[in-house]
Amino acid sequence: TQLLEQSPQFLSIQEGENLTVYCNSSSVFSSLQWYRQEPGEGPVLLVTVVTGGEVKKLKRLTFQFGDARKDSSLHITAAQPGDTGLYLCAGAGGGSNYKLTFGKGTLLTVNP
Amino acid sequence: DADVTQTPRNRITKTGKRIMLECSQTKGHDRMYWYRQDPGLGLRLIYYSFDVKDINKGEISDGYSVSRQAQAKFSLSLESAIPNQTALYFCASAGGSSGANVLTFGAGSRLTVL
Repeated sequence: TQLLEQSPQFLSIQEGENLTVYCNSSSVFSSLQWYRQEPGEGPVLLVTVVTGGEVKKLKRLTFQFGDARKDSSLHITAAQPGDTGLYLCAGAGGGSNYKLTFGKGTLLTVNP
Repeated sequence: DADVTQTPRNRITKTGKRIMLECSQTKGHDRMYWYRQDPGLGLRLIYYSFDVKDINKGEISDGYSVSRQAQAKFSLSLESAIPNQTALYFCASAGGSSGANVLTFGAGSRLTVL
């Protein structure tokens, strides 16, 4: 069974601060995705990374896939209250690219 | 209209009752999934289906069953609900054969078993 460990589990910061969320595993993934979930809604895809060492930027969000494809990070610059939500990483692999394993999530609160 | 629609959105039931959660998608996707979300435990896969005649157990299938009535419809049943099945349930779909398996989620069905 592939496991994804996310840290921290909870994060409460002030508007304007920077933060990094981590997603780690002992397993290799063929691809890794980051989702954001807001209260009362389902998770929504933010980004997919597929190549070891890959870095993707989405406005103030920077995603990195580790060289060995076992870990990933999400960095948010100058966080805003609208960034508040549950951030989930999900990995595909282990013989089936069509079955995702999710981390337990990081609940981010950005205070005005 | 939402790409993935779940009904009901909220349901309160009693121990021992049979419950069905329904899911339909308009994306034309061939793959469909049911996940359960609990605080501190993240999303756990219950069942998944890669096409109409394909049903697979996920990591926590005990106490649940599914039916893929059509490509667009995938329902989850609890034959005899118990309190520890109280959770938020998500249906998701995915399609295509290249690249990563991107899931489109419904808005969730909150189930409370008393």
